[in-house]
Amino acid sequence: GIQVEQSPPDLILQEGANSTLRCNFSDSVNNLQWFHQNPWGQLINLFYIPSGTKQNGRLSATTVATERYSLLYISSSQTTDSGVYFCAVEPLYFSDSWGKFQFGAGTQVVVTP
Amino acid sequence: DAGVIQSPRHEVTEMGQEVTLRCKPISGHDYLFWYRQTMMRGLELLIYFNNNVPIDDSGMPEDRFSAKMPNASFSTLKIQPSEPRDSAVYFCASSWGHQNTEAFFGQGTRLTVV
Repeated sequence: GIQVEQSPPDLILQEGANSTLRCNFSDSVNNLQWFHQNPWGQLINLFYIPSGTKQNGRLSATTVATERYSLLYISSSQTTDSGVYFCAVEPLYFSDSWGKFQFGAGTQVVVTP
Repeated sequence: DAGVIQSPRHEVTEMGQEVTLRCKPISGHDYLFWYRQTMMRGLELLIYFNNNVPIDDSGMPEDRFSAKMPNASFSTLKIQPSEPRDSAVYFCASSWGHQNTEAFFGQGTRLTVV
């Protein structure tokens, strides 16, 4: 099956700092989403981004599908950005994988005041 | 729309008991997914439905697990009998279509089996 690798596994930031999270995947994808799991465990949709670039406030994401990676940018980080960031992909070529997201292991982000 | 709604939010049960988790997908969504999250295995897909029909249950760990979707607005995941290793957070998600669409997750049910 498709492999999804996220880096770094852990990140400690001072409030106000910028950071980049990376998601590499081993095969072509139909779909790619970024989620934020907050300290209460809720999975919050950040971006649906199978290709291209999107921005939402202080967050932005870029997926280069041909090179099989996606980046999530956090600018001017705040303590509320703490949590785990997951990348999830849906493989393109395997019909028995359609609809089946494969999640990465996540990046644990801690933003300190 | 209120989003994907799961109940209960927390469940503590004794080993051997039956546990039923519930999910109400977003209205109009035709795909429903059940995921399990553990420290050891991360987020893994258990089963998914399309138009109330189970499509792929290859992720269901064993026969103690079963899932149903009697109508477009309700699904259950049942564990009988429950074991301590079933302790995890169980998420339900829904989407419209299965390609190039965004999936939305419920708040999860934290299950503890003692």
